[in-house]
Parts: sequence; C-alpha cells; structure tokens
Amino acid sequence: DGGITQSPKYLFRKEGQNVTLSCEQNLNHDAMYWYRQDPGQGLRLIYYSQIVNDFQKGDIAEGYSVSREKKESFPLTVTSAQKNPTAFYLCASSISTRDTEAFFGQGTRLTVV
Amino acid sequence: QKEVEQDPGPLSVPEGAIVSLNCTYSNSAFQYFMWYRQYSRKGPELLMYTYSSGNKEDGRFTAQVDKSSKYISLFIRDSQPSDSATYLCAMRSGGTSYGKLTFGQGTILTVHP
Repeated sequence: DGGITQSPKYLFRKEGQNVTLSCEQNLNHDAMYWYRQDPGQGLRLIYYSQIVNDFQKGDIAEGYSVSREKKESFPLTVTSAQKNPTAFYLCASSISTRDTEAFFGQGTRLTVV
Repeated sequence: QKEVEQDPGPLSVPEGAIVSLNCTYSNSAFQYFMWYRQYSRKGPELLMYTYSSGNKEDGRFTAQVDKSSKYISLFIRDSQPSDSATYLCAMRSGGTSYGKLTFGQGTILTVHP
C-alpha cells in the first residue's frame, strides 16, 4: 500500500536535546512538507521541499532543520533552539508543490520533559 | 487578523442532523478550497476539494464556495457518529508557482447516537 509513514508515533525529549522525526513516502511524490499542529491553531508550515536536495523555510522554521537527500525521505530535526517544541508534527507529500491534494502521515506527538 | 478564520466549536449534534461548518478568509487570491477530516491522534485526510466559486456534492457531503463573500461551507447530511472528528478548511492561491496551503483552526464535531 502506498502512503506516508511517520515514526515514532510518540517521542519524549529532555530539554536541551536535539531530536529527529522520520518521514518516509512511497507515493513517488516530488513535494514533501512538515507541519506543526497545536490546539486551536490549525496547521502551520515548518519546511517544505519541492524536489530532492532542495528545501525552503515555511512560516515557523526557527529551531528546526531538515534534509532531503532521497526522494522518499524528509526527516525533521527539532533542535534545542526551538523554544516550545511540544506539539503534534505532521508530514505530508504531494505530486508537486502546485498540486492541491496533500497526503498526510499519522503524525508524531513530541513531548519535552 | 488571521488569513483564515474557523469557529473551533466544539459542535455537538444528534445523529441524523444536518451539520454546517464554515470558514471565512481575507486573501482574495485564494482559488482552491479544501476540507480535511482529522480523527483523534491521526493525520488529516482530504474530504472535499473545490476550485473557485460554486457547489460540489459527494454523497452526504456538500462543499460551497462564495468568493464574493470570502466564505466557504461544508454541509454534512444525515450525520453519523463516525463523522465525529475535527474538520479543517484549507485554501491556497492559484497560478503555476508554489501556493502554500493555509489552514483554519479546525472545528471539533461530535455526533451523538
């Protein structure tokens, strides 16, 4: 079955530590995205990538970093510079960034302890 | 003022009721309008997609777009307990360049048996 796989589902991090969230897709999509979801705020775009080896900042990129070395993979690193990292993180992909339909993964709940 | 405003609810209705969910927006460049459904602790899934003004029907769901009023709606007929979820509106501008999806805050819907 084609889809987007995010892992882990739940992640706990101590303050001051970096942590990497995994996102893999087998839909052969060029575009991939990372969103953050907080209660009552909808989805906010962190980073997006239109093609391999290219990525752009979204609305709330500070404290985050990404890489896109393979078409299938778009990992997100939450660094210690992110002031309020506890949130639900969603990865998505689409055929291209001009394509309207985005497919989402099941999300990773990150909690800083 | 947010670009997209959505009443977060929560909205509670009895089974069989007609549900109306709404979003208003301020950016007149938006041309593509979507509704996503998100079950608890899951990723959003695309429910309805509409281009420009007009109506679109899919089974029990009807999406309406009124660009003159900058107002979109999703109607659910004969609502079922399985419709209980958070509903997110999303929209983007047209053209061939990258158009970021802008999401509303989401409306939490509960349908009681």
